[in-house]
Amino acid sequence: NAGVMQNPRHLVRRRGQEARLRCSPMKGHSHVYWYRQLPEEGLKFMVYLQKENIIDESGMPKERFSAEFPKEGPSILRIQQVVRGDSAAYFCASSRGGANYGYTFGSGTRLTVV
Amino acid sequence: GNSVTQMEGPVTLSEEAFLTINCTYTATGYPSLFWYVQYPGEGLQLLLKATKADDKGSNKGFEATYRKETTSFHLEKGSVQVSDSAVYFCALSDRGTKGAQKLVFGQGTRLTINP
Repeated sequence: NAGVMQNPRHLVRRRGQEARLRCSPMKGHSHVYWYRQLPEEGLKFMVYLQKENIIDESGMPKERFSAEFPKEGPSILRIQQVVRGDSAAYFCASSRGGANYGYTFGSGTRLTVV
Repeated sequence: GNSVTQMEGPVTLSEEAFLTINCTYTATGYPSLFWYVQYPGEGLQLLLKATKADDKGSNKGFEATYRKETTSFHLEKGSVQVSDSAVYFCALSDRGTKGAQKLVFGQGTRLTINP
């Protein structure tokens, strides 16, 4: 019974490249959330998706960042033209419904921009 | 907007000491409150939760009581172990304008237990 699977665990990109982060939710979970954790800080909400729909992207930067959760396959967080300030840990969580159902977090993708 | 403020770390204790990590919140409505734990290199794990005032969440010897009058949800444990060393996050559920029920996190408190 696999949990939330994120890959890659570590990703190194040069400034200006694209980063693609993948998240496969737990079986039976149709709600996916992406959070970003800067060093020594708490997690900040980025985006909430259900299959084929973005429900709330109020925490996403307006430029360079996008997210999708297609009918088939994992959820993808895409960062175009990365900059050093994008270096962070990106966590995906899934749930059957909202936060009160309980989130299950993945182990995260640690992005380093050099 | 809704927010969570945690006791600043790092916190260092000896094994078997009593632990308190303070957490206060600001929220409209009646959020649920959570404590999550993050071990090195891993994602967050739900430690305990409380969904309404005066509820007590408990797990693995940790406890926290939802205090509406003081807007607090302090984490306590009577006798800590080396294996409790981790970063602890207090959080509340925030329905937001689009019903997302996303979580709002505090900044985290790093706990180190020495043998």
